[in-house]
Order: sequence, then C-alpha cells, then structure tokens
Amino acid sequence: GNSVTQMEGPVTLSEEAFLTINCTYTATGYPSLFWYVQYPGEGLQLLLKATKADDKGSNKGFEATYRKETTSFHLEKGSVQVSDSAVYFCALIPKTSYDKVIFGPGTSLSVIP
Amino acid sequence: EPEVTQTPSHQVTQMGQEVILRCVPISNHLYFYWYRQILGQKVEFLVSFYNNEISEKSEIFDDQFSVERPDGSNFTLKIRSTKLEDSAMYFCASRETRQGSYNEQFFGPGTRLTVL
Repeated sequence: GNSVTQMEGPVTLSEEAFLTINCTYTATGYPSLFWYVQYPGEGLQLLLKATKADDKGSNKGFEATYRKETTSFHLEKGSVQVSDSAVYFCALIPKTSYDKVIFGPGTSLSVIP
Repeated sequence: EPEVTQTPSHQVTQMGQEVILRCVPISNHLYFYWYRQILGQKVEFLVSFYNNEISEKSEIFDDQFSVERPDGSNFTLKIRSTKLEDSAMYFCASRETRQGSYNEQFFGPGTRLTVL
C-alpha cells in the first residue's frame, strides 16, 4: 500500500541551526510528494512539492528533493528561525488517486532563540 | 487571499449524539474533502466529494458518517451517533479542478471534536 514515514519528534533547534527532517515513502509507481506545515492554531499549508523524480521543491528557504532510488523526500533548511516552529507533515498523492493525500505522522519543530 | 473556513473551532458532545461539522470551501473550488487527525496520530483521509456525490471514501467513513453540500457555499460532515473514538481534529479541504496534473488542496484550520 501507500504510506509515509518521517522522523519522530519533537525536534528542538537553536535559531540559525541547520534543519533536516527525514521522510521516506512506500507507493505504487511514482507518486507526487509534498511537505505541509501546520503553525500553532492554524490549518495545514502546502510548503513545497515535487511531482517527479529528481525534482527539487523549494519555498521560504526550505528544500526537498524527490529521490526515487531511496524513496525519500527529506526536508532541509540551512538556517531556521523562531517563526519556523510548527508541525511538518510529509505527504504523497498516489498516481492511482488524485484525490487522496496520504500523510506522514508529522514532526514537531521548536526553534529557540 | 481566499481560504477554507470551518466552524466551530471546538465542539464538545456526548457519546451517541449527532454532530455536524461545517466548512466553507474556497468559492470557485469544485472538489471537497474531509480528513481527520486523532491526537498524536497522522492525518487520515475520510472522503472526497465532487458534483454532489462521494467520489472516494476510506474504510473509516462508515454508515455513521455522511457529507452534504446543502447550498452553494457550505460543505458539511455529519456523524450520526458519536463514539468516544470519534474524538479528533477534523480538517476540511477543497481543490479547484481535477484536469491535468496535481492541483493543491487547501485546508481549513480544523474543528476539534471531543466526545465525552
């Protein structure tokens, strides 16, 4: 079946530290891959996406590269800020269904000054 | 910027009672969704809705659940007889069109349902 695994949290970093949140997936064929972010008290927002192998999604200093060899889509940011504190969800949409977003469990990030 | 809204933000109900969660999708969107997140667990797909009918539903979406678009703006999720295990955050989402490649689903802020 289709599933997403991501590193357990919570993750606590100091401001300006380097961030990596690991994400791996299992899917039939080549799904589209996404990172969603949920800031405290808010809904889910699309952070970035990649729809085919070797694509790099980027937004707000965050990046993730679609690696089909390792079935991974790790999220990175070179220098985190306090305002990046949120829960990050890795997700996929299988090629068999444009409708269903399949989420990972989420990783909580806290950035301290 | 257009956004998906949901009401109420928090709903508390007694086991066995009916609840209706309301969503107002973005106005020109055609596809509507409900997801839920039990505390500490992942966000799970419940149902998708297009052209006034369900297009896909998960195993979770049993006969206790129903969805409706009663007018041109609202999209509702009804749980007929709530159980303790229905306690969760429920997210509504909408999407503009199905044609072509992936179109982003826009999510609302969620309704936290607590069943006592």
